[in-house]
Amino acid sequence: SQELEQSPQSLIVQEGKNLTINCTSSKTLYGLYWYKQKYGEGLIFLMMLQKGGEEKSHEKITAKLDEKKQQSSLHITASQPSHAGIYLCGADIIYAGGTSYGKLTFGQGTILTVHP
Amino acid sequence: DTEVTQTPKHLVMGMTNKKSLKCEQHMGHRAMYWYKQKAKKPPELMFVYSYEKLSINESVPSRFSPECPNSSLLNLHLHALQPEDSALYLCASSQVLGELFFGEGSRLTVL
Repeated sequence: SQELEQSPQSLIVQEGKNLTINCTSSKTLYGLYWYKQKYGEGLIFLMMLQKGGEEKSHEKITAKLDEKKQQSSLHITASQPSHAGIYLCGADIIYAGGTSYGKLTFGQGTILTVHP
Repeated sequence: DTEVTQTPKHLVMGMTNKKSLKCEQHMGHRAMYWYKQKAKKPPELMFVYSYEKLSINESVPSRFSPECPNSSLLNLHLHALQPEDSALYLCASSQVLGELFFGEGSRLTVL
């Protein structure tokens, strides 16, 4: 079973529209990371969240981590074609014996298409 | 621009060949990683080096052999690979408690 569930799996929006991508874990997260990937290329770091209730913004992208540290959302305001790509959430997960620190687990990714 | 450099960007090899993938970073990071990514799948962790010592091996077959010659370099030696090993191999580095920075990847094709 997948430890990190991302939704939706794919998203097609018109330029200028807002959108939200969700990432959910059944376990408490030590750290939650958002990355963007162009097909066949490396991952570009977007944001890292560690504290419950934390929210970070960069340009038109805002990421939030809920108080329980089990769910995160990535919100893009007024989307542009340059936002298109695959968005991946990754996490260090807290297990009974400690954390998975160093073993970043990724969700399946959300493919974002933005039509001009 | 990524500060993690991977070479080569593309590699085609036969099942009897020996080749290596290289990764270099100059950010002073003390943790370095190898991930494998198949098409339309998320990256999967293979190895983690912390302070130049192998700290995590995710039960990777011995035909993949990692090496960390110094704190800036990470190699992945390949020998007797199978066609199913064809994938994008991603190197990453981080501070010991921090976000991972990824290279552009090396696309490997095994014939």
